[in-house]
Amino acid sequence: DTGVSQNPRHKITKRGQNVTFRCDPISEHNRLYWYRQTLGQGPEFLTYFQNEAQLEKSRLLSDRFSAERPKGSFSTLEIQRTEQGDSAMYLCASTLGVPNEKLFFGSGTQLSVL
Amino acid sequence: AQSVAQPEDQVNVAEGNPLTVKCTYSVSGNPYLFWYVQYPNRGLQFLLKYITGDNLVKGSYGFEAEFNKSQTSFHLKKPSALVSDSALYFCAVRDIGDDKIIFGKGTRLHILP
Repeated sequence: DTGVSQNPRHKITKRGQNVTFRCDPISEHNRLYWYRQTLGQGPEFLTYFQNEAQLEKSRLLSDRFSAERPKGSFSTLEIQRTEQGDSAMYLCASTLGVPNEKLFFGSGTQLSVL
Repeated sequence: AQSVAQPEDQVNVAEGNPLTVKCTYSVSGNPYLFWYVQYPNRGLQFLLKYITGDNLVKGSYGFEAEFNKSQTSFHLKKPSALVSDSALYFCAVRDIGDDKIIFGKGTRLHILP
């Protein structure tokens, strides 16, 4: 497999701007997850998809965050009106699910909000 | 809701000694349990998983973990540590019936030469 691909690798933006990240999962994987990780912390769950359906969104996620997975292939995560507290590494992971259950992570998109 | 606790921020072990990284979990049903490792400037990598069956599971790089239902623990172990094992280790849990996978805050493992 070609692995999980995330773009861009780095994004620097000014507070108040909108940003969009893209994740291309491993092609046959039907489940896709988005996580946020800050330095020295574990990945924090944001949302996940089963094919094109967004099945759960973290209660910690504000309405400024939205994710899509059209046609059950790639996914996008958009943050509107960015705040400095949004600065983090945004990770995407995909899996085939049961019985394998192994998550394959991308390298992440590092967001810096100035 | 499921949760994971990794009580140690850092574990220091001398090379060649056995290592243990602790993890406890909370789920409403039966758990799927995982360990992932993150090397500096690298993405998270899968180490091992417990789904069902034997309580002792073996994974990559000589690591193993023991599922203990009564203590709700899933500690990561290795009989003889290598300097190259130094990394950040994350325990994760999924509650059967819920596809959400939750990670602990991580434990930094430092192997002393």
